[in-house]
Amino acid sequence: DTAVSQTPKYLVTQMGNDKSIKCEQNLGHDTMYWYKQDSKKFLKIMFSYNNKELIINETVPNRFSPKSPDKAHLNLHINSLELGDSAVYFCASSRLKRTSGDYNEQFFGPGTRLTVL
Amino acid sequence: ELKVEQNPLFLSMQEGKNYTIYCNYSTTSDRLYWYRQDPGKSLESLFVLLSNGAVKQEGRLMASLDTKARLSTLHITAAVHDLSATYFCAVVGETSGSRLTFGEGTQLTVNP
Repeated sequence: DTAVSQTPKYLVTQMGNDKSIKCEQNLGHDTMYWYKQDSKKFLKIMFSYNNKELIINETVPNRFSPKSPDKAHLNLHINSLELGDSAVYFCASSRLKRTSGDYNEQFFGPGTRLTVL
Repeated sequence: ELKVEQNPLFLSMQEGKNYTIYCNYSTTSDRLYWYRQDPGKSLESLFVLLSNGAVKQEGRLMASLDTKARLSTLHITAAVHDLSATYFCAVVGETSGSRLTFGEGTQLTVNP
């Protein structure tokens, strides 16, 4: 009963390829996120969806395209991969509005380590 | 733009010692979180701090929040090797919606 799951866990690919990472949550949350963690462990938000609607879209190359088929899933497609895309990508989920006993904590998936050769 | 700074970024300490990690942020915040990350693993939520003066404790870790100083601390008491990890603070600004801005992380190593 994994809360936030991602596939694949590892992804090794050549420059120029197109790849996708999938994320699913079973927490009943309405908001999902993609974060990038670089080699220095710095974490930065990329995108967020609330009920399938894009609500956060940071300055990310348009080679990155998120897609949310429903509120339990958020996928990340990356076109024309570059060396600088190598990083760990984390998916997370939360509730958008605070309710009693819920502190809008974001729960993170296990991460996908992307290596571009 | 909200900025979050942690210090120190690297901390090597001996078992049994006490130490404090600091987290400063630049604008008014709605809430602050502390996360732990073990090497090669995901982020685990440790504490959520919502109001000025909030203090939370779990085992050897205690977190506090001073919203007037825009400062949170994570205090480690009598460190043990199992506490070795990277600790992140993350802040949601009052006008940021659900956007989390992370500090750089503090890599803690506890030596026997």
